[in-house]
Amino acid sequence: ETGVTQSPTHLIKTRGQQVTLRCSSQSGHNTVSWYQQALGQGPQFIFQYYREEENGRGNFPPRFSGLQFPNYSSELNVNALELDDSALYLCASSQKRGSPGNTQYFGPGTRLTVL
Amino acid sequence: AQRVTQPEKLLSVFKGAPVELKCNYSYSGSPELFWYVQYSRQRLQLLLRHISRESIKGFTADLNKGETSFHLKKPFAQEEDSAMYYCALSNQGAQKLVFGQGTRLTINP
Repeated sequence: ETGVTQSPTHLIKTRGQQVTLRCSSQSGHNTVSWYQQALGQGPQFIFQYYREEENGRGNFPPRFSGLQFPNYSSELNVNALELDDSALYLCASSQKRGSPGNTQYFGPGTRLTVL
Repeated sequence: AQRVTQPEKLLSVFKGAPVELKCNYSYSGSPELFWYVQYSRQRLQLLLRHISRESIKGFTADLNKGETSFHLKKPFAQEEDSAMYYCALSNQGAQKLVFGQGTRLTINP
């Protein structure tokens, strides 16, 4: 069983630029969630994708957008980067939306630094 | 509003001593509660969830709906328990996780 993978591991961008982060879900999982973890904080929910459709969104502006592909992998796109976007971005996959007690499996994260 | 509070950012105990990591939550309805752990240089991973009523690595957690708490306990701490611990909740089945700020647990030899 292949775990959740994310790329790249680290990324440095400047203010105003755009970035795309990628996530491959665990085998057999059809739901992907994205979280932002600022330094010293717990992860914060950005949005979730289920079968290529957005299925819930946290308190993040529209410049945070995403995609899910037919193979259930996913992208997180952030436009017009701001300094406060510097964080660890976590992707988590799970087996089935709506299943009580369903476990989310996390990737290693992408560390984004905005200068 | 959904909220998870972990009042201790840092907790340090000696090996063999009991450990209790506190977690309080605010939620209208019946949430699912989880404890996630992150060991040094490893990814975030599920430690236990309240519906399973399991003991994992000697840790247990009981959901107290009256006190809206889900404290994590272990009777005898081991050095390998040193890690970052996050309490989290979600809607039943909705899967959006709301995390606390985390508690860094250090077990001293």
